[in-house]
Amino acid sequence: DQQVKQNSPSLSVQEGRISILNCDYTNSMFDYFLWYKKYPAEGPTFLISISSIKDKNEDGRFTVFLNKSAKHLSLHIVPSQPGDSAVYFCAAIQYNFNKFYFGSGTKLNVKP
Amino acid sequence: GAGVSQSPRYKVAKRGQDVALRCDPISGHVSLFWYQQALGQGPEFLTYFQNEAQLDKSGLPSDRFFAERPEGSVSTLKIQRTQQEDSAVYLCASSPTDGNTDTQYFGPGTRLTVL
Repeated sequence: DQQVKQNSPSLSVQEGRISILNCDYTNSMFDYFLWYKKYPAEGPTFLISISSIKDKNEDGRFTVFLNKSAKHLSLHIVPSQPGDSAVYFCAAIQYNFNKFYFGSGTKLNVKP
Repeated sequence: GAGVSQSPRYKVAKRGQDVALRCDPISGHVSLFWYQQALGQGPEFLTYFQNEAQLDKSGLPSDRFFAERPEGSVSTLKIQRTQQEDSAVYLCASSPTDGNTDTQYFGPGTRLTVL
């Protein structure tokens, strides 16, 4: 069973506009959520995270929103840049467990 | 500084062959994770080490999969009698402490193809 889901396999956005990537989860015990970015032939790199006690975390152009009641998180990239083109994975974990659950990824294409 | 490295980067094995995949974590990192990423999917947890102790191996798909980290640094993931369904990218990640909200640093992965 997939506990973390990314239902959009791909997203195309014009440079300068907002990119919104979505992620849903089923396990209400998850405490901590992360977004990773992955370029081809490289491992994922950490982008931003949020604890379940918050509903928003911002880092430069990247903001993650968490809606616990809906079991939904989203990553906003504003403004989008061509270098943001990559696959984005969301991940979740329960405190005191070291097992991370990843979504299947969303491929973002930012067009110049 | 050196990141997480994995070798080989690509491995082609005949069905039934044994393979060994190596992970060199960032020096001094306490935690080490192995993941399996099938085509078009996200990484799936296989196993977790804290130093040399394998604390969670619940994600290993069968007893053909075995991982070790004998000295708390380099780790090896061994797959015996490989099957076609083992074809995937195997990712290794390390993090500085045993805290599970630490940032994980991923290696580039080993792409295993079983013919």
